[in-house]
Amino acid sequence: DGGITQSPKYLFRKEGQNVTLSCEQNLNHDAMYWYRQDPGQGLRLIYYSQIVNDFQKGDIAEGYSVSREKKESFPLTVTSAQKNPTAFYLCASSPGPGKNNEQFFGPGTRLTVL
Amino acid sequence: AQSVTQPDIHITVSEGASLELRCNYSYGATPYLFWYVQSPGQGLQLLLKYFSGDTLVQGIKGFEAEFKRSQSSFNLRKPSVHWSDAAEYFCAVGRLSGGYNKLIFGAGTRLAVHP
Repeated sequence: DGGITQSPKYLFRKEGQNVTLSCEQNLNHDAMYWYRQDPGQGLRLIYYSQIVNDFQKGDIAEGYSVSREKKESFPLTVTSAQKNPTAFYLCASSPGPGKNNEQFFGPGTRLTVL
Repeated sequence: AQSVTQPDIHITVSEGASLELRCNYSYGATPYLFWYVQSPGQGLQLLLKYFSGDTLVQGIKGFEAEFKRSQSSFNLRKPSVHWSDAAEYFCAVGRLSGGYNKLIFGAGTRLAVHP
């Protein structure tokens, strides 16, 4: 089955540690996205990538980093510089360019900083 | 700046009753509009989308939405709610950036369904 997988589902980290969230898609989509979800705030865009080896900052990129070395993979690193990292993180992908293209979402990773 | 407002944070309806979830957007050009649904602890699933043409859009699970340009609204409706519809619903507007849709989400409306 085609889709987007995110791992792990739950992640705990201590303050001051970096942590990497995995996102893999087998939909052959060009574009991939990372969102952060907090209660009452909807989803906010962290980073997005339109092609391999290229990515752009979204609305809340501070304290996060990404890479896009392969088309199917778009890992997100939450660094110790992120002041409030506890949140639900969602990865998404979409086909090639075009306004008709919806985004498909993974199941999410819940990160808790202890 | 583009924005999406969902005025209702929580809505409770009885099973079998009709449902309308409100969405208002702010966007300078022709908007690309989406409704997504999220079950607890899960990702988002697309219910329906509007780009152009007929302003009444049919989606999955019996949902429909109507685009009203004069009111800057894209309200989601269902004639008869089922208990399995209990979830959080997000309205989003897409803005093209480099040819790709970047989505701006509303804060969501949480739907509870009474038996």
